[in-house]
Amino acid sequence: AQTVTQSQPEMSVQEAETVTLSCTYDTSESNYYLFWYKQPPSRQMILVIRQEAYKQQNATENRFSVNFQKAAKSFSLKISDSQLGDTAMYFCAFMKQGRYNNNDMRFGAGTRLTVKP
Amino acid sequence: DAGITQSPRHKVTETGTPVTLRCHQTENHRYMYWYRQDPGHGLRLIHYSYGVKDTDKGEVSDGYSVSRSKTEDFLLTLESATSSQTSVYFCAISESWTGGTQPQHFGDGTRLSIL
Repeated sequence: AQTVTQSQPEMSVQEAETVTLSCTYDTSESNYYLFWYKQPPSRQMILVIRQEAYKQQNATENRFSVNFQKAAKSFSLKISDSQLGDTAMYFCAFMKQGRYNNNDMRFGAGTRLTVKP
Repeated sequence: DAGITQSPRHKVTETGTPVTLRCHQTENHRYMYWYRQDPGHGLRLIHYSYGVKDTDKGEVSDGYSVSRSKTEDFLLTLESATSSQTSVYFCAISESWTGGTQPQHFGDGTRLSIL
């Protein structure tokens, strides 16, 4: 079974600075997807960024980027120019690739990020 | 935003009572999921459905049952609620696998408190 580990329960960063959230995962699969979801106090689950394991290039979405190290099974999220609205719980998630995998996702326990003014 | 509606949004009930949570989607997606969210555990899959009347168990299915009689509705039932089932429940949907990433899209959650 796949497991996802987020080793930082809480983090804080000053507004406008950069912060990196860590995620490691355990799998024997070679093809899979990785995601970061954001959950603000409103409780919504918002997809931040996604990465296909077969792609060597790291995904980027505006101020959000990932550092995907497939051999190390590491998938960290970097937030640049942090804003107050980035305050949220962040979840790392893993999904196997394939037609018969039912898009089943496994989540980490989450990292609570606070951006300070 | 994906068209997913969970009802109710909040519920307080007593131990031993039956509880049904509803998830309704307007996206015509094939897959639907129920998760529970607890501190220190992230989201854990309870049950999922891969079509009308087709369901299967997830990681934490004990004490829960589901039904899907229509594409758009996925019901989660606690036959006899216990205090350990106090949690926030999320419904999610995703489309059939056609290649590429198919992330799940989530409803706004139901906060269930069992006293």
